[in-house]
Amino acid sequence: AAGVIQSPRHLIKEKRETATLKCYPIPRHDTVYWYQQGPGQDPQFLISFYEKMQSDKGSIPDRFSAQQFSDYHSELNMSSLELGDSALYFCASSRAGRGGEQFFGPGTRLTVL
Amino acid sequence: AQSVTQLDSQVPVFEEAPVELRCNYSSSVSVYLFWYVQYPNQGLQLLLKYLSGSTLVKGINGFEAEFNKSQTSFHLRKPSVHISDTAEYFCAVSRTGTASKLTFGTGTRLQVTL
Repeated sequence: AAGVIQSPRHLIKEKRETATLKCYPIPRHDTVYWYQQGPGQDPQFLISFYEKMQSDKGSIPDRFSAQQFSDYHSELNMSSLELGDSALYFCASSRAGRGGEQFFGPGTRLTVL
Repeated sequence: AQSVTQLDSQVPVFEEAPVELRCNYSSSVSVYLFWYVQYPNQGLQLLLKYLSGSTLVKGINGFEAEFNKSQTSFHLRKPSVHISDTAEYFCAVSRTGTASKLTFGTGTRLQVTL
């Protein structure tokens, strides 16, 4: 079965650079979520989109922005990167009416040097 | 807002022994409950979920969990663990309804040894 696709899988950036992470949800899934997992920590919710509209916002820095496109894929844009942004970034998708189950992608490991 | 507490950060257990990973949650509204497993350098895989109905939920890999509303708990159990069960386990909660974010506990590291 198709899964959530994230690209790139690994990304190395310098401080103050920008990064763009991409997420392709499971076909027919209408909701995308972004989570950040720091080293040895639990995943923290950043932002979500339902039918291409922002549906919820968590502890996402103002330096980050995201959107969901007409084909339902989503991009997380991160600017002025800081060392503390180094983390695993997960995208998850779900389909309304299917009991809230979120399917996670493999994650993008971002390292800021 | 919802919150999740996983009291045990690490649980060492011998192979073929039973195990229980504890999870308590707090919420003022109806919730869904989940257990996810994360193997090293991998994503999160759903083990099982409680939406409604029977309080005993069976999942993949022989795991099961019991929802206890009065104790606001959702403990994960397996009668006989295997070395391959060594991983990080996260309990998570979300509001019922559409497009609800997951709030995770801090995780429990299950270490299975011979």
